[in-house]
Amino acid sequence: SQTIHQWPATLVQPVGSPLSLECTVEGTSNPNLYWYRQAAGRGLQLLFYSIGIDQISSEVPQNLSASRPQDRQFILSSKKLLLSDSGFYLCAWSAARGGYGYTFGSGTRLTVV
Amino acid sequence: AQSVTQLGSHVSVSEGALVLLRCNYSSSVPPYLFWYVQYPNQGLQLLLKYTSAATLVKGINGFEAEFKKSETSFHLTKPSAHMSDAAEYFCAVSDGWNAGGTSYGKLTFGQGTILTVHP
Repeated sequence: SQTIHQWPATLVQPVGSPLSLECTVEGTSNPNLYWYRQAAGRGLQLLFYSIGIDQISSEVPQNLSASRPQDRQFILSSKKLLLSDSGFYLCAWSAARGGYGYTFGSGTRLTVV
Repeated sequence: AQSVTQLGSHVSVSEGALVLLRCNYSSSVPPYLFWYVQYPNQGLQLLLKYTSAATLVKGINGFEAEFKKSETSFHLTKPSAHMSDAAEYFCAVSDGWNAGGTSYGKLTFGQGTILTVHP
């Protein structure tokens, strides 16, 4: 069966520090991968999606970047965190020929101080 | 373009009462529709999905939803609320996938409805 792993679960980082959040999927090939952010009272915001290795699309301009160095690995990064980057970050995957919904990871609570 | 509107950002019910969470969608193609639940500090969990089969869809934890094309709605219901149902619920619509590669099943989410259950 397919599983998705996301870590760390919680993270407290100072302003200006770098960020790296990792997400990996097991039990499937060529998944579509997504990074979402939830800020208080703002719903789910799609940050990045990827339909293949090194194929990354950004949904909103921001202080973050994403990479997909391997088929089932998706990384969210920042060179210098801002206070506004605080939030709950969720990784998700869907089948390549989608339409059947996403499976989400357990999320990372990021607090920038 | 797709969109989802969840009517009511907060819904409060008593334990044992009917739960009704409203969702209306807009889609230019026959939609796939989903309901997800999120407990505090957890990821989203799929409750149920409609993918053009039966219009009444049954999901986990006693929830069900009915696809009504004429009303462009996909409301979520549960006959009797339980304290453990307190969570945030998200409706989502997908445009499916097409062979031309211009659509890959991307989900568009509503803003969420927080369900509170009172004893």
